[in-house]
Amino acid sequence: DQQVKQNSPSLSVQEGRISILNCDYTNSMFDYFLWYKKYPAEGPTFLISISSIKDKNEDGRFTVFLNKSAKHLSLHIVPSQPGDSAVYFCAARLLYNFNKFYFGSGTKLNVKP
Amino acid sequence: GAVVSQHPSRVICKSGTSVKIECRSLDFQATTMFWYRQFPKKSLMLMATSNEGSKATYEQGVEKDKFLINHASLTLSTLTVTSAHPEDSSFYICSASAQGTEYGYTFGSGTRLTVV
Repeated sequence: DQQVKQNSPSLSVQEGRISILNCDYTNSMFDYFLWYKKYPAEGPTFLISISSIKDKNEDGRFTVFLNKSAKHLSLHIVPSQPGDSAVYFCAARLLYNFNKFYFGSGTKLNVKP
Repeated sequence: GAVVSQHPSRVICKSGTSVKIECRSLDFQATTMFWYRQFPKKSLMLMATSNEGSKATYEQGVEKDKFLINHASLTLSTLTVTSAHPEDSSFYICSASAQGTEYGYTFGSGTRLTVV
């Protein structure tokens, strides 16, 4: 039972445009959400996070939006750069088990020059 | 920042042999480390939680006798794939949590295991 879902396995955007990666979750007890970026044959690296008490968090070109009522979060990258091409995982943490994270299946982003 | 080192990055072994993968927290102490497995085009699947000085906690469906985890110190956890079979071929990733960080936890660079 996948509690965190990324329904788009891949996304292709032009350099300079906005990339929007989406993530849906089912468990209302998730209190913390993160986005990780992963290159082939490497471990994921942390990108940006958001607490469930917020609806937006911004860090440079990256912004994460959280819609709790819809159980949906999204990552916006603007402007997109070719170096952003990677697989992006969203992850969620349970309120009562902060050590355990649930990951989505990832979205492969390709930013075309 | 917190750094997790994982070794080896790539290993090929014969069926029936055992393989050990090491995960080290380089600049922080990690009482808890985590082992993940990634199948092709699939999400990261948590296999087990490794606790320093005690037995690991395995997720449902993960064979603890096949995937032996040892967390003997605050900076080292090992995963041993015993009697490896081709279906054990996968990408294994460890991670550890640095106290007080808001970044979730830090991942190692992963180990690509191929069983032939």
